Amino acid sequence: EVQLVESGGGLVQPGGSLRLSCATSGFTLSDHYMDWVRQAPGKGLEWIGRSTNKAQSYTTEYAASVKGRFTISRDDSKKSVYLQMNSLKAEDTAVYYCVSWRSGYPDWGQGTLVTVSS
Amino acid sequence: DIQMTQSPSTLSASVEDRITIACRASESISNWLAWYQQKPGKAPKLLIYKAVTLESGVPSRFSGSGSGTEFTLTISSLQPDDSATYYCQQYNGFSAMFGQGTKVEVK
Repeated sequence: EVQLVESGGGLVQPGGSLRLSCATSGFTLSDHYMDWVRQAPGKGLEWIGRSTNKAQSYTTEYAASVKGRFTISRDDSKKSVYLQMNSLKAEDTAVYYCVSWRSGYPDWGQGTLVTVSS
Repeated sequence: DIQMTQSPSTLSASVEDRITIACRASESISNWLAWYQQKPGKAPKLLIYKAVTLESGVPSRFSGSGSGTEFTLTISSLQPDDSATYYCQQYNGFSAMFGQGTKVEVK
């Protein structure tokens, strides 16, 4: 059974940094594309970035809203994916979800809340 | 990036009505499209993937159709529990953008 567990959320000041983790189980991480998706309070779902799989050389892509500030990395040996968030702004306040893709099928984590506020 | 345009943004219908939600991609995505249902305070729930495949456990009144750039989600007989916001998501290539969402109210 695929399981994704996000952690690392919390309160951070504007301009600060935070690293989210997504612990995975039930599948071979190197075979899967991994995304991060967020949802700000009262807003829609926003795709923010992707790490492709080993076969696609772990290519990363980001939404324009986070490009240059957020970085996705992964450690297949630890079965984990990370989202490094720098230069955080109030508008980055959201629930952040980790999503795994296998053969066109998505699995979602339960999300972790990030609040950017002074 | 491939952009997704979803319509309508809100929809109000009665129990047992048939409703459709449209989703248009800015370029062809083949059948790499998912539909989600989301209720307040909850994580999105997968309804449909690969444009037409019903997720296990999802009622058969939900169906998806389309390919290329035009897609629809149909609820054949709307139920009170279907009151929610629905999102489409393309996942072709290196991005996975969402539509803006459709809020469905059951009268």
